[in-house]
This record gives sequence, structure tokens and C-alpha cells, in this order.
Amino acid sequence: QVQLQESGPGLVKPSQTLSLTCTVSGGSISSGSYYWSWIRQPAGKGLEWIGRIYTSGSTNYNPSLKSRVTISVDTSKNQFSLKLSSVTAADTAVYYCAKCTLTHDAFDIWGQGTMVTVSS
Amino acid sequence: EIVLTQSPATLSLSPGERATLSCRASQSVSSYLAWYQQKPGQAPRLLIYDASNRATGIPARFSGSGSGTDFTLTISSLEPEDFAVYYCQQRSNWPPKVYTFGQGTKLEIK
Repeated sequence: QVQLQESGPGLVKPSQTLSLTCTVSGGSISSGSYYWSWIRQPAGKGLEWIGRIYTSGSTNYNPSLKSRVTISVDTSKNQFSLKLSSVTAADTAVYYCAKCTLTHDAFDIWGQGTMVTVSS
Repeated sequence: EIVLTQSPATLSLSPGERATLSCRASQSVSSYLAWYQQKPGQAPRLLIYDASNRATGIPARFSGSGSGTDFTLTISSLEPEDFAVYYCQQRSNWPPKVYTFGQGTKLEIK
């Protein structure tokens, strides 16, 4: 059973870059059947999709965040990563990584989430 | 951008009752609609994909229906563990292929 685990700093200063990594265990990230996504959730609010990457390296991003987001994959480490630049307090949220099936476009496996606070 | 609107925002019911949650899309999403359950402090859990297919391990009391712009999640007889927040999610049919979520329906114990 595939499992996902987010890791990274819990506190980021305004205007800096938020960097998170998702480690995939129990399966290969190189499997051709999945997309790997980042999703966030501010406290008490709903879910916002940030972007996704395929193992070929092709990406899609939420248009509202596209100018600040980079998602990359490291197949040798079975990891994919998120970088969000020029952060503000509005980027404070729980960040989830999730696996999405190509055929159904649904997020069937989620990490536990990691809280990131943007504050000086 | 396709907007998903869920109703009601809050639904108050008792265990054993039937719950009907709605999700309406601003444009047709065909059958690319999924439902998730989220409990406090936990990640969302996939319940339904492609509008009507139960995910692995999801009890039969959960069912989904609809296509195009109007979708429904039904819980036939509420169990105590079903009280949570429910989200719908769609994938756009044309480039750029992006995902959006509804704002959620909180199912609370009456």
C-alpha cells in the first residue's frame, strides 16, 4: 500500500520560499499510472489544489498560484517537491501531498499533512 | 474556471437518518466528480470517484449520483463515525486541466 509523508520547515518568513518534500513509500513514484499533487488547506477553510506532476516531469498548476509555484520530482529518491515563492500570511495552511489516478482524476492516497506558518 | 457549489453548508441529522448532500458545477464536468470525507485533524478520504463509484473499502451506505452539473452524495443510514465535513472535487475537461473543490458541507449530529 502506497503511503505519502510530507516534510519541511513549519515556519517560513514572509517574502521567502516555502519548500516541502513528499516521500512515497510502498510503491514506485515512477509508476506510469499516477499524478502526484500538492493541496493545501488554511485553518478552518476548504481545500485548494496547488499543482501536479507526472513522472515524465510534466506539470500543471493552479492558475491562481502558477507564477509562484514549482513542483519537481526526484525518482531516485522516490520523492516529489513543492516550492512556493514570495509567501505571505495568506499562504499559511496545512499542506498535503496526494496521489491521483490518471483514469479517474481522484485523490485516493493522501499524506497526513504538514502545517506551514508564514510569519516573521 | 469551474466553480463547485455545495449545499447545504451545514446539515444536522441524527444517527440512522438519511443524508443527502448536493454539489453543483458552474459548467458541465461530465462524470469527473469525486467526493471526500474529512474529520478534524485528518487528511481527506476518498469516498466516491467518477460520480458514482465507491472507492476501495468504502461502506455501501455511501452512494453517489449525477452527471453534467448536478451531483448528489447520499448516506443511506448515518453511523456515528459519518459526522464530518464532505467535499466534492472536479477535474476540468479541457486544458489547462486543473482541479477544484467545493467549499464543503458539514454534517453534524442533531
